[in-house]
Amino acid sequence: EVQLLESGGGLVQPGGSLRLSCAASGFPFSSYAMSWVRQAPGKGLEWVSAITGSGGSTNYADSVKGRFTISRDNSKNTLYLQMNSLRAEDTAVYYCAKDQLHSSGWYRGYFDYWGQGTLVTVSS
Amino acid sequence: DIQMTQSPSSVSASVGDRVTITCRASQGISSWLAWYQRKPGKAPNLLIFAASSLQSGVPSRFSGSGSGTDFTLTISSLQPEDFATYYCQQANSFPYTFGQGTKLEIK
Repeated sequence: EVQLLESGGGLVQPGGSLRLSCAASGFPFSSYAMSWVRQAPGKGLEWVSAITGSGGSTNYADSVKGRFTISRDNSKNTLYLQMNSLRAEDTAVYYCAKDQLHSSGWYRGYFDYWGQGTLVTVSS
Repeated sequence: DIQMTQSPSSVSASVGDRVTITCRASQGISSWLAWYQRKPGKAPNLLIFAASSLQSGVPSRFSGSGSGTDFTLTISSLQPEDFATYYCQQANSFPYTFGQGTKLEIK
C-alpha cells in the first residue's frame, strides 16, 4: 500500500525557515517523480515544486523560486522541501504527491497518491 | 503560465442527476489534463488523467472529454459520496496549474 506521510510543519515567523519531509513507502521511491502541492486557507490547490525520481531535475512555481528547494534521499525514501525567507502568503497545508509515471528521469504530471498534508503557518 | 478556469464555481444537484463541469485552459494543452476529487479533510483523489482516461478504481460513472483548451468532467448519475470539490489540473508544462475548483453540493 502506498503511503506518504508529511511532517515538519508548524508556526514560523516571517523571514524564517522550515524544512518539510515526506516519508514514502509501498512503492519503488526512486522510480517516481514527486511534487509538493499546497492549499492556502480558503484557496484552491497550488503546485509548488517537482523533482524527478533520480533527483536530477527540479522545477518550481514562480512564487517560491529562489526561496524553496526540493530534494530527495532515495536511500531513506524521503522527499524534502526546504523553505527559506517565508512569507505570510506561504501559509498553507503542504502535500507531497506521487507522480503517476514509473520513470527515474521524467515527469508525467498526474498525481495518483497524496499525503494527508502538514500545516505551515507564517505569522509574527 | 497556463491559466485554468473552471465553471461553474459551484453547482447544486440531486442524487441520480447528471452533472457536467467545464475546464478551460488559457492555451492549448493537448490532452494533458487531470481531474481530482477533494473531500473535506481528505487528500485529493485522481479521477481522470490524459483528459479521458479513468484512473484505476474510479467508478465508471465518472468520465472526461476534451482536448486543446476545452475539457469536461461528467458524472453520469450522482451518488451521495460524490458531493465534493472537483479540480482540473494541466500537466502540459511547468508550472503545473489547477483550476479554482467546483463545489458540488446537494440540492
